[in-house]
Amino acid sequence: EVQLVESGGHLVQPGRSLRLSCVASGFTFDDYAMHWVRQVPGKGLEWVSGITWKSGNTAYADSVKGRFTISRDNAKNSLYLQMNSLRDEDTALYYCAKDNSKEGFGYLGYWGQGTLVTVSS
Amino acid sequence: DIQMTQSPSTLSASVGDRVTITCRASQSISRWLAWYQQKPGKVPKLLMYDASSLESGVPSRFSGSGSGTEFTLTISSLQPDDFATYYCQQYNSNLYTFGQGTKLEIK
Repeated sequence: EVQLVESGGHLVQPGRSLRLSCVASGFTFDDYAMHWVRQVPGKGLEWVSGITWKSGNTAYADSVKGRFTISRDNAKNSLYLQMNSLRDEDTALYYCAKDNSKEGFGYLGYWGQGTLVTVSS
Repeated sequence: DIQMTQSPSTLSASVGDRVTITCRASQSISRWLAWYQQKPGKVPKLLMYDASSLESGVPSRFSGSGSGTEFTLTISSLQPDDFATYYCQQYNSNLYTFGQGTKLEIK
């Protein structure tokens, strides 16, 4: 059974940093691209970032480019999102999601339960 | 970036109705489109991929069609479990984008 478990979300002040983690199980982690998707409570889904299977390529939404960095450790079956210079508008539930392909350009077949990031002074 | 626009934003319907949700892309995405269902407090669930392929375990009353810039998700006979919010998502580009969502409400 595919499982994605996010952690690291909490209350943080604007301008500070936070690192989210996602631990994967139930599939061969390094065979798939992975993504972060966020959702402001009560609002729609926003894709944040993606990374290919060997970390060869990364991509970011314009709203986070230059502030967030996605990475993965295939030996630890883990996906990360380093979030710097956080803003109020980054407040959201952050989901880790599994792509159906290695190089990205695939649909998101599995999602974690999410970790809540609240940016507020 | 490719923009995805869903319509309607809200849809009121009754059990047994046939409903259609439309998703339009700002440029051609071939058939690289997925549909997700999300219920309140729950994780998004994949329904369809590659525009018209039904994900395993999803009831056959769900169907998808389209290519290029216009796509539809159809539910042939609404069931009580189908009242939820539906999102389309393109994966033609490595900058993925979602539609704004369509909330399907009970009439």
